[in-house]
Amino acid sequence: EVQLVESGGGLVQPGGSLRLSCAASKFTFSNYWMTWVRQAPGKGLEWVANINQDGSKIYYVDSVKGRFTISRDNAQKSLYLQMNSLRGEDTGVYYCARAVAAAESFWGQGTLVTVSS
Amino acid sequence: QSVLTQPPSASGTPGQRVTISCSGSSSNFGSNPVNWFQQLPGTAPKLLIYSNDQRPSGVPDRFSGSKSGTSASLAISGLQSEDEADYFCAAWDNSLNALVFGGGTKLTVL
Repeated sequence: EVQLVESGGGLVQPGGSLRLSCAASKFTFSNYWMTWVRQAPGKGLEWVANINQDGSKIYYVDSVKGRFTISRDNAQKSLYLQMNSLRGEDTGVYYCARAVAAAESFWGQGTLVTVSS
Repeated sequence: QSVLTQPPSASGTPGQRVTISCSGSSSNFGSNPVNWFQQLPGTAPKLLIYSNDQRPSGVPDRFSGSKSGTSASLAISGLQSEDEADYFCAAWDNSLNALVFGGGTKLTVL
């Protein structure tokens, strides 16, 4: 069964850093665009970043540009999100997703990031 | 303030047909297909409709999508209690170079 398992979330102070990971299994990871989407507590979905199959095309939402970096390691079948200069508004559940808006879309269960002093 | 506009809530009784609307603009719906996601309480979102009206494998045909110009709709026929969830529309926006979501519609089955 296809799996995406996020990890690396937790409590961090404003201005701090976290690195999220998403481990993929039971599918050919290198064939797919991958995406991070977040959801603030009690709020809607917000797309964060996309990366294509070989990492040559990357897109970010304006609010994280210059602070977050999406990357992938196809050999390790893993997706990453390096988050620096964290703010309170970055608090939420972070989901990784395969082919987010295509027939083979699949989402992980998410990891909670809390930015607070 | 979301780029795509959805009603915050909708409701229906079991067996009824309900529709959820989503309004966009020329830079998103006018140029790109619409997608719909379902988020059951306490769970991760799941793709329900892609490319305006296509259902991924496993999604019941009670769910259907349509798009006309800069508006889209999700229809659910034969409403069931397990359809109670949040529903989000989404599309790529060429001006923002971003995937944009609607604010979500909370569907209550009465």
